[in-house]
This record gives sequence, structure tokens and C-alpha cells, in this order.
Amino acid sequence: GQSLEQPSEVTAVEGAIVQINCTYQTSGFYGLSWYQQHDGGAPTFLSYNALDGLEETGRFSSFLSRSDSYGYLLLQELQMKDSASYFCAVVRTGGFKTIFGAGTRLFVKA
Amino acid sequence: GAVVSQHPSWVICKSGTSVKIECRSLDFQATTMFWYRQFPKQSLMLMATSNEGSKATYEQGVEKDKFLINHASLTLSTLTVTSAHPEDSSFYICSALSQGQLTYEQYFGPGTRLTVT
Repeated sequence: GQSLEQPSEVTAVEGAIVQINCTYQTSGFYGLSWYQQHDGGAPTFLSYNALDGLEETGRFSSFLSRSDSYGYLLLQELQMKDSASYFCAVVRTGGFKTIFGAGTRLFVKA
Repeated sequence: GAVVSQHPSWVICKSGTSVKIECRSLDFQATTMFWYRQFPKQSLMLMATSNEGSKATYEQGVEKDKFLINHASLTLSTLTVTSAHPEDSSFYICSALSQGQLTYEQYFGPGTRLTVT
């Protein structure tokens, strides 16, 4: 089977930096993705890591360590609009199915 | 990023009827699309993988005769919920896969909120 662990909730203030960790267990690991979802909306793709290391896209960065089965999403210069749920998701080989974690609810306070 | 549309955005139907949801990739061809279901305050649950020109692959526990998937073209996949029951009420989301050697992006549709009365 497979499992993903991420914190259920994180609270931070505007302008701060927050890191959301994700550990996973799966067979046939291909890569790790991150998605943002606002209430009532569909998920939006944020980043994808196939190789170890850091990927940076604007204020968001994502890191992967395949040997540790661990990744994180780093959000910098937090804004109120960043309040949302963030999902890490494992992409598996053999069809490239994506299995989502339970999600981390981020609350950004003024 | 790429655009994926879903239609309808919301639907209310009576128990026992069938509902068809369309998923279209508007600006790229997608050989693979995915269908998810999401209950309130829960994560996305993968229901099936839709492959153009072949039968869909269903996840364990998802009834293929109840959730009919057709991937008729490289830009269209449909999900039909047959003989709907109130417990089928959920948010159904499709996505289209764009994948390269080191890249992987799923573009999600806006979702369809189904309410079965």
C-alpha cells in the first residue's frame, strides 16, 4: 500500500515563511507533487520533484529527498491569499497515478 | 498553465437517475485523464484513470459499472454516475496529465458538485 503524512494544520503570520513537511511510503515512486486548494475550488498545481533537491517557483519552493522518503513545500513572504489547503501527492510509476495526502490547512494571520 | 474545463459545474439529480460529467482539455491533448472524488474537508480520492482509446482503470473499491468512464478523444473524457444515490453526492474533479521525462503536471478541472436527492 501507500501512505503520506503531512500536518493537518499550520498557522503563520503575513510575511513569514512556512514549511509544510510530507513523508511518504509507497512502491513504484516516480515523483512528489504539491497542490493548493482553496475552499470550494479545485486543486491547483504548485510544483513537482522527480529528483532530489530544491525546485523554486516564485515564492514557493519544494524539496525532495528520495532516500528519506521526505519532501517539503516552502512558502515565503506569506500573504493572506495563501490561506488554503496544501496537498502533497505521490506520483507512481505504471500509469502515473497520483495519490494525495490528507492535506495541510494553512491559516495566514495578519 | 493548461486549461481543463468541466461541465456541468453543479448538478442536482433524483435518486435512481444517471448523470454525465464532461471533462475537456482545451489547449493540449491528454492521453491520460484522472477522475477524483472529494468529500467535504477530505482529500481527493482517485477513482479511475482514463486512457484515450482504451478501457479505464478503476481503483480498488470503485464500481466500474456504476461509474462509467469514456475517453472518446484526446481532449474529452466523460464520467457517468449511473443509478445515483444520495451517498454519491460529492465533488467530482477531473484532471488531464501533461508529462515529460522530468516533468509532471496535472491540470485540474474546476470540479462538478453533484447532489443526489
